[in-house]
Order: sequence, then C-alpha cells, then structure tokens
Amino acid sequence: QVHLQESGPGLVKPSETLSLTCTVSGGSLSGYFWTWVRQAPGKGLEWIGYIYSSGSSTYNPSLRSRVTISADTSTNQFSLRLNSVTTEDTAKYYCARRRTSSSGIDSWGQGILVIVSS
Amino acid sequence: DIVMTQSPDSLAVSLGERATVNCKSSQTILYGSNNKPYLSWYQQKPGQPPKLLIYWASARESGVPDRFSGSGSGTSFTLTISSLQPEDVAVYYCQQYYSVPHTFGQGTKLEI
Repeated sequence: QVHLQESGPGLVKPSETLSLTCTVSGGSLSGYFWTWVRQAPGKGLEWIGYIYSSGSSTYNPSLRSRVTISADTSTNQFSLRLNSVTTEDTAKYYCARRRTSSSGIDSWGQGILVIVSS
Repeated sequence: DIVMTQSPDSLAVSLGERATVNCKSSQTILYGSNNKPYLSWYQQKPGQPPKLLIYWASARESGVPDRFSGSGSGTSFTLTISSLQPEDVAVYYCQQYYSVPHTFGQGTKLEI
C-alpha cells in the first residue's frame, strides 16, 4: 500500500516561493503519474499538474508560468514549487498518485495547509 | 478548459434511500482509442483527502462498496448511492482527465 506524505513550510510570504515535497513510501515512483491538487479553505479541488516517472510534466495552464513539479527517484520524492505567491494561493496542498493515463487519482496524502501571509 | 458542472450543490437523503449526484461536462470526455469516458468520482469527508470511488465513469475502485455506482455517457454522468449509510455523508466531486487541465466539478454536499 503506497503512502504519501507532504512536507514543507506552512507559512509563506507574498511574492515568495512555495516549496513542498511529497515523500512516497511503500512503492516506487516508476510507472505512475505523480500529481498535486490544492483546495482553498472551504472551497473545491483544483488540479495543479503532474509529473510522470520519466520526468515529463504537465501543468494547469492557469498556473504554468509559476509552477514547477520535479521528481527524484533516488529519494522517492517529488516536489512542487510555486513562484510569486499571493493570498490566493492559500490552500491545503495534496500530493497524490494516478496509476495510469486512463485512471483516476487512487492514492492521496493527508494534505498540508499553506498560508500566504506577511 | 472543460467545465464540469455538478447538480445539485447539496442534497439531503434519508438513511437507506437512494442518492443521485449529476455531473455534466462542457464537451466530450470520451477517449477515442479505448472508448472510455475519462471521468472519476471522489468522496471527501471533513478533514480527509478525497477518495477515489469510480473511474472510467462506471468502474468501481477496488474496496469501494457496491452501493456506489457510476453511469453515463457523452457529456452527462451520474453517481448513485443505492442505499445511503451514515458514513456516506461527504462532499462528492467528479473530475475529467480527458484534457488538461483535469478539472473538477464544484462538489455536491450529501447529508442525511
């Protein structure tokens, strides 16, 4: 059973960079789509993007200019960087796994709340 | 972007009764090469991450009770809970993964 755990700062200042890491245990990064989804307080789900284990990434066009998702197979981790944050980026950030290109997101971390505030 | 619109926004159903949540996509999400709708349903309970219930619009994820079923084609899809249980109180989301961005519906809050 794969387990995902987000880590990173819970508070980021406006205009700075949000950086989160997801540690995957109980399985390898190989062959899966590693995904980030966020949820603003009291709101719905927003898909941020994913990285395939080969290293190719796909992003939400609304965030593409500010987001980078990377993966490190040696540490079994993947990461999210979101530049130039504003208060609109305050949300719980989930890392997750999609099994294949034709399946849903089958495994999720518990999420980490990131507040953007000075 | 493909817009996913769920209805209703909230729903109250008696225990043991049927609950139905609808989801419409603004364009087709049928993948031509395998003829599968690229649509998933998720359940999110308070303070928890979403949980995958259904993919391909009607394929039940392993371990999901069989009272949950998905149906639909084209641009209209439905999640049905055949006999509502107390633990089914949650917000339900549909998501298309046919094209980027993989958009979610706004959610439907299900209460007893």
